[in-house]
Amino acid sequence: GEQVEQRPPHLSVREGDSAIIICTYTDSATAYFSWYKQEAGAGLQLLMSVLSNVDRKEEQGLTVLLNKKDKRLSLNLTAAHPGDSAVYFCAALSSGSWQLIFGSGTQLTVMP
Amino acid sequence: GGIITQTPKFLIGQEGQKLTLKCQQNFNHDTMYWYRQDSGKGLRLIYYSITENDLQKGDLSEGYDASREKKSSFSLTVTSAQKNEMAVFLCASSLGGLVAETLYFGSGTRLTVL
Repeated sequence: GEQVEQRPPHLSVREGDSAIIICTYTDSATAYFSWYKQEAGAGLQLLMSVLSNVDRKEEQGLTVLLNKKDKRLSLNLTAAHPGDSAVYFCAALSSGSWQLIFGSGTQLTVMP
Repeated sequence: GGIITQTPKFLIGQEGQKLTLKCQQNFNHDTMYWYRQDSGKGLRLIYYSITENDLQKGDLSEGYDASREKKSSFSLTVTSAQKNEMAVFLCASSLGGLVAETLYFGSGTRLTVL
């Protein structure tokens, strides 16, 4: 079945810098990808989702890139600020499947 | 907007004890989920339910039971708590179709087994 690897597990950046989180997946038929954010003591909240026919999507300082050839999904936070400090998860839904497979998470710390 | 409420927020149990976690949603969503979150391992699906009285096993269902007696509520039972077990259990819901949907999460129940 689908496997999702996420890196890095921990990421520290300075305020105003970019932060990039990468996930790789194994199933080339994966049809849907999501990024979720989990703030301390809270549940996960959807940041952005993309279908597999999309290579790039930008929303509110976030850029999601999908490289289907390399089976790689990335999340780029441009100009990170301390409020972006949280754990970020990628998730993938294979075609013909109902179950989202989550990556292991990245703890992002944005320092003032 | 809606909300997912999980109770209790913190649960401390003894080895071998049966423990029940509860989840309520007021989104009027059809589908509800229970995930287990372990440090460094992401979220793993325990059970899900696509409608009242429906139950489907996820990859991690062994050692757990679930119950969906009402559309708005979904409970999870740890049938025999394991010593030194520590995890966060997250409940989620989605509108219905199970495919390419947004999941809405509760804030979790943190389990500690002594």
